[in-house]
Amino acid sequence: SYDLTQPPSVSVSPGQTARITCSGDALPKKYAYWYQQRSSQAPVLVIYDDSKRPSGIPERFSGSSSGTMATLTISGAQVEDQGDYYCYSTDSSDNSWVFGGGTKLTVL
Amino acid sequence: EVQLVESGGGLVQPGESLRLSCAASGFPFSAYTMNWVRQAPGKGLELISYIGSSVGTIYYADSVKGRFTISRDNAKNSLYLLMNSLTAEDTAVYYCARAFPTYDSSGYYPDYWGQGTLVTVSS
Repeated sequence: SYDLTQPPSVSVSPGQTARITCSGDALPKKYAYWYQQRSSQAPVLVIYDDSKRPSGIPERFSGSSSGTMATLTISGAQVEDQGDYYCYSTDSSDNSWVFGGGTKLTVL
Repeated sequence: EVQLVESGGGLVQPGESLRLSCAASGFPFSAYTMNWVRQAPGKGLELISYIGSSVGTIYYADSVKGRFTISRDNAKNSLYLLMNSLTAEDTAVYYCARAFPTYDSSGYYPDYWGQGTLVTVSS
């Protein structure tokens, strides 16, 4: 099966920039998607197609991808951005759509 | 407004069966592929099944293949998951999610999620 690798945790102070990475062999050719999951809530899509932001998602959320790594950037992170973040993508044959292991973001 | 409401979760004993439902509203349900995603306590997200808009395409993760059956009733705007031979490893919150086609048409990604229903398998 295909694996997407994320760091277990990222910690920043309020107002700083948080960067969460997602590594996968097929990412040079496949889009990455990012989800935010606040404590005990359903996941919310925050980035799709590597870098597009759904309506209603604050502009401080952005995405990028280079080589085998996709990155979710939160510019000027706020306490309300705390939670778990998951990337999602597929292998090169589109047979295995998977989530990364998740990254716990702490803002304090 | 897109709404997805799961139901049917609960406490069951190992080996028993359970049927989950997801009621959809706010979008043309019959036109969308639908997902079931689960999250075990303290763990990450796992895509376990999806069904195409016309039922022609069905996927199961290896972890549930042969035990779980996904189905839909477009007339009732409803998605279902029949879970048989449940084990403790199936204990999780089960989310229903709408699937949106990717830009390059290589697949689908969940764009809207329900609040989930908890399934606990324990004796």
